[in-house]
Amino acid sequence: QSALTQPASVSGSPGQSITISCTGTNSDVGGYNYVSWYQQHPGKAPKLVIYDVTKRPSGVSNRFSGSKSGNTASLTISELQAEDEADYYCSSYTSSSTVFGTGTKVTVL
Amino acid sequence: VTLKESGPVLVQPTETLTLTCIVSGFSLSDPRLGVGWIRQPPGKALEWLAYIFSNDEKFYRKSLKNRLTISKDTSKGQVVLTMTNVDPVDTATYYCARGTLEGGFDYWGQGNLVTVSS
Repeated sequence: QSALTQPASVSGSPGQSITISCTGTNSDVGGYNYVSWYQQHPGKAPKLVIYDVTKRPSGVSNRFSGSKSGNTASLTISELQAEDEADYYCSSYTSSSTVFGTGTKVTVL
Repeated sequence: VTLKESGPVLVQPTETLTLTCIVSGFSLSDPRLGVGWIRQPPGKALEWLAYIFSNDEKFYRKSLKNRLTISKDTSKGQVVLTMTNVDPVDTATYYCARGTLEGGFDYWGQGNLVTVSS
């Protein structure tokens, strides 16, 4: 159960779009359409922002969108805002378990 | 929907850690849902540990399977995780969360920071 690979950091200016990648294998990301994304502010619990690769939970801004190609999933945040500055984690279902990504720190310049 | 973890703040190495998650706003017998435990060492990434489904089916992280036990008391709305033979590397914030292994976890507790130290 190796962690999914994410870039350590991504940054962007307010109003811009950024994309965070999440790379796994054909046993996890590539094998199922069950990728989730979480936003975590310092000292807070994670918050689900995307599930089933592309779906948004009720109440999550439509500025958050997800996609997948092969063994790599992506989270795009459009119209970047100061409140989007946080850590982001992907996760994927894999053979009766789930695996998280290494995490990406998003900085709003 | 709320989940709240409770347990010790400090545990001695080699001891057994017991954490309780008290849930409200949903039933542990809901056939669509279960509860998982996830931990996060200070400054590090999330790590999934265990999951219990409504039908009492249990799933464990392979590398920790021989040290973990998850159970639930539906009538009390409680999910319990025990971890035996703890080590300082088990120092982390432990979260319980509602959801499924496939669809992710949509509600999380506030977390319980556990330090393993003598």
